[in-house]
Amino acid sequence: NAGVTQTPKFQVLKTGQSMTLQCAQDMNHEYMSWYRQDPGMGLRLIHYSVGAGITDQGEVPNGYNVSRSTTEDFPLRLLSAAPSQTSVYFCASSYSITGRPQHFGDGTRLSIL
Amino acid sequence: ELKVEQNPLFLSMQEGKNYTIYCNYSTTSDRLYWYRQDPGKSLESLFVLLSNGAVKQEGRLMASLDTKARLSTLHITAAVHDLSATYFCAVGHSGGGADGLTFGKGTHLIIQP
Repeated sequence: NAGVTQTPKFQVLKTGQSMTLQCAQDMNHEYMSWYRQDPGMGLRLIHYSVGAGITDQGEVPNGYNVSRSTTEDFPLRLLSAAPSQTSVYFCASSYSITGRPQHFGDGTRLSIL
Repeated sequence: ELKVEQNPLFLSMQEGKNYTIYCNYSTTSDRLYWYRQDPGKSLESLFVLLSNGAVKQEGRLMASLDTKARLSTLHITAAVHDLSATYFCAVGHSGGGADGLTFGKGTHLIIQP
């Protein structure tokens, strides 16, 4: 019963490096999203997808790219890492029906030096 | 732009006491969620509230929604140490279906014996 799986759990990058945070879900959820969590800020939406081939920007999309080629996977790409992107990143998924709660992964703790 | 305000942001209380966390939001929405987060962990769904006057209870926690006042409350009855966590409310954007959530900054709750 995997749910939402995020990899890696921890990562340290240097400024300017690129990397991809992986997110996979096995619940056949149409909707997937990425949030970042910073101390005292709650969670802020980066990008989301309502189905394969469809993505849209959230509140803080700059510096991040996403794609959704399959229902199961929703990777988040950092194009050129900056210290301001040091954060905990959460992926979430849900059915595309009003009122269904989002299921969250365990998070990726990312530090950029 | 949807804004979500929680208060208090920090709460220290004794076991056995009652208290309420408030969540105000700025624009019309058709769904409100409450989540719990333990330190270093992911978010766990507690309640989904979809209509004016909705009330849901689970153990010592009860959540309610007043859509006219744009206010939700999370009431804790006879608190126990195990309820120590950070509690987030999150509001869905109006229009139905699944899309991103706007989170409050969270209420860090410590329950002392």
